Order: sequence, then structure tokens, then C-alpha cells
Amino acid sequence: DSGVTQTPKHLITATGQRVTLRCSPRSGDLSVYWYQQSLDQGLQFLIQYYNGEERAKGNILERFSAQQFPDLHSELNLSSLELGDSALYFCASRPRDSDLTGELFFGEGSRLTVL
Amino acid sequence: AQRVTQPEKLLSVFKGAPVELKCNYSYSGSPELFWYVQYSRQRLQLLLRHISRESIKGFTADLNKGETSFHLKKPFAQEEDSAMYYCALNSGGSQGNLIFGKGTKLSVKP
Repeated sequence: DSGVTQTPKHLITATGQRVTLRCSPRSGDLSVYWYQQSLDQGLQFLIQYYNGEERAKGNILERFSAQQFPDLHSELNLSSLELGDSALYFCASRPRDSDLTGELFFGEGSRLTVL
Repeated sequence: AQRVTQPEKLLSVFKGAPVELKCNYSYSGSPELFWYVQYSRQRLQLLLRHISRESIKGFTADLNKGETSFHLKKPFAQEEDSAMYYCALNSGGSQGNLIFGKGTKLSVKP
């Protein structure tokens, strides 16, 4: 599957803990976007990387951080977890030659449950 | 501020009835707008984009700059249209992030 892949699919952890979510973009895509999906807030943009560099930041908490590695995969680190961090975390990538198309390709998401 | 508003959390219609999912946006400049759909247990995917002026699966959406709206319409709903629908706005540029509305869950009853 050459689509966006995310691991793990499901993760259950306790408050105060730290987790790392991983994303591999589609082959050839340089941009990676992270979104948080919760029942009340819908899809919230967290952060974007382009070819290893942070491009844009959204509603990302200071307890969260991310990076994009030379092989273009990205990791989202969530620390000091709280109950409210329970959500579905999506990664998406975008083709480099996507002027005016705007299409993001999404992964299946990582479901985080904080107990 | 850039914002996308979908006023309905849930829309329930019967099969064969017309459907309109509302979307309003706030953006200074010329907006790029999209509709994404998430079927049950599937990943979020692009349904249509305003710039293409296309019809996908019988759905259309017209950009109304005067009303700052981009409502999604289908004349005759099908059960397989049941899904979560998100309206999205490109924040700017070819690699800008997408700002999503909170989504509308469409339920089409038999």
C-alpha cells in the first residue's frame, strides 16, 4: 500500500504518560499534516511539515511536539497526557505538484485512549 | 479570521429525498473550498473541489461568494451516502493546510 500509513492504529495509556505516533506519507509527497479529531471539535489542524521543516502550526499544545525525518516520515509526540487528549489523530500528505488541487491524502488514523 | 462553519451536526433524510449540507466560510481573498467525506471505517477522502465544478456521486457544490457559502447538494439521496461530511478551506498556497468545519453526519434512511 503506497498510501499514507500510520502506526499504531490503537493505543491505550494512562494520564501523565507519553506516546509517539508515527506517519509515513505517500511515496513522493513532501508535506505531512497532523490533525486531531474529537467528537466536540471535529478536525483540528495541529502542525504541518514540508521536506523536514515546520511549515505551519495550528492548535497544537505545548505538551505536543512533532518532527519530520530525512526519509520524510513524521512523528507526533504527546506528553503529560490528559484525559482530554483522547482522540483520533490523523496524518495526511499532499502531492508536491498540487497547485490549486488542495487534495490531502489521509491515513487511517491512530486512536488514542487516555485512562 | 479563517473559519469554516457547518451548522448541522446531524442531518437525517429518507432515501430519494433531496439533501443539502450547509457550509459557510470566512476568508479574505479568493477561497479554495472542498468537501471531504468519511464513510464508516474508511479514511477521510476528497469528494469534490469547487474549482473543478464537477459532480461526484451525484453531489454538487456551488461557491457563492456573496453569501460566503459552499453548500453540498444532491437531488436524490441514497443509503450509501450515509457518512460524515466535512467542508474545508485551503488556508493559502499550494501547500497550505486545510481548515475543516466540524462536520455533518448524514444519515439516509431506507
